Amino acid sequence: DGGITQSPKYLFRKEGQNVTLSCEQNLNHDAMYWYRQDPGQGLRLIYYSQIVNDFQKGDIAEGYSVSREKKESFPLTVTSAQKNPTAFYLCASSQAPVNIQYFGAGTRLSVL
Amino acid sequence: DAKTTQPNSMESNEEEPVHLPCNHSTISGTDYIHWYRQLPSQGPEYVIHGLTSNVNNRMASLAIAEDRKSSTLILHRATLRDAAVYYCILGGNNAGNMLTFGGGTRLMVKP
Repeated sequence: DGGITQSPKYLFRKEGQNVTLSCEQNLNHDAMYWYRQDPGQGLRLIYYSQIVNDFQKGDIAEGYSVSREKKESFPLTVTSAQKNPTAFYLCASSQAPVNIQYFGAGTRLSVL
Repeated sequence: DAKTTQPNSMESNEEEPVHLPCNHSTISGTDYIHWYRQLPSQGPEYVIHGLTSNVNNRMASLAIAEDRKSSTLILHRATLRDAAVYYCILGGNNAGNMLTFGGGTRLMVKP
């Protein structure tokens, strides 16, 4: 089936630890995105990538890093610099011209 | 960035039509109007989009005002499974053109 796969579904981070969230798509989309959602809130953009080997910061990029070495993959690393990482993380992809975004099922990150 | 304004919440009875409004008075000529919905603990799901003309698909209808400053998502017969947060978003036609998700409208459906 075509779609966005995020893993793991649940993730726990220890103090001072970096963790990486996986996002894979088989839709052949050029653009990919990472969002953060806090309870009862809307989505906030962390990073996005329009094409392989290129990415831009979104509204809340501090404490996060990404890479886009392959079209299908856009992993997000939550670094120890992110002091409040507990949230629901969503990955999406889209394709011009209409830019409809297709989302994964999300990863719920908690701090131990 | 062009912004949208939606009511925080709405209620509907099951099997009745639901009209979810959205104001976007600063919309630009190239902005598409997108609607997504998010069920609890899931990622958002695309519902419908349009540019100038009204649109219908299997999930919903989108009515766009003539001046494009507002739109309405229409669910023809609400079911309990339609209870979700509905987001109205403006976006352009480039792959990197951001869709900014605001607070959305929480739709509650009563049996």
